[in-house]
Amino acid sequence: EAQVTQNPRYLITVTGKKLTVTCSQNMNHEYMSWYRQDPGLGLRQIYYSMNVEVTDKGDVPEGYKVSRKEKRNFPLILESPSPNQTSLYFCASSLRAGGGYGYTFGSGTRLTVV
Amino acid sequence: DAKTTQPPSMDCAEGRAANLPCNHSTISGNEYVYWYRQIHSQGPQYIIHGLKNNETNEMASLIITEDRKSSTLILPHATLRDTAVYYCIVRGTSYGKLTFGQGTILTVHP
Repeated sequence: EAQVTQNPRYLITVTGKKLTVTCSQNMNHEYMSWYRQDPGLGLRQIYYSMNVEVTDKGDVPEGYKVSRKEKRNFPLILESPSPNQTSLYFCASSLRAGGGYGYTFGSGTRLTVV
Repeated sequence: DAKTTQPPSMDCAEGRAANLPCNHSTISGNEYVYWYRQIHSQGPQYIIHGLKNNETNEMASLIITEDRKSSTLILPHATLRDTAVYYCIVRGTSYGKLTFGQGTILTVHP
């Protein structure tokens, strides 16, 4: 089944403890992206990747890192999480970056930083 | 990417067609119109997209006006499971960001 898989689904952590949220897609998509969703603010893009070893900042990149060493994986790294990073996170992928291609989203990771 | 305007909420009776409007008056020639929906806190689900022509798939139909300044998503026979937030997004051939607005909360009632 074609899908985007995120892990974990739920995570509670403490301030400052480094964590990684994994994202993997099995559709050979070139484009991958991370979003966060907060009440009243909607979905906002954190980082995106056009292809392997090509990443760039989205609208809210502060406090996050990403890497794209393989086409299928696009982990989101929080080096020193803070409570304002408590949010619902979604990974998405698309065959290409340009118009004409739909995104497939993962099921989400609900992160709580205390 | 062009901005979109959607009504904040709509109701529809089960079994009837749900027609969700979207205004995108500043759309440019190479920008596509996309529709996604999000049920509760699940990941957004792709529904349909189009450039100029009307489109239909197994989920819905997309009607785009001739001047491309507005569009309508049609769910032909709405069910309770179609209750969700529906997002209309205009996306060009740029780096691929989907800019989500507030969407339309569609409530399908028995």
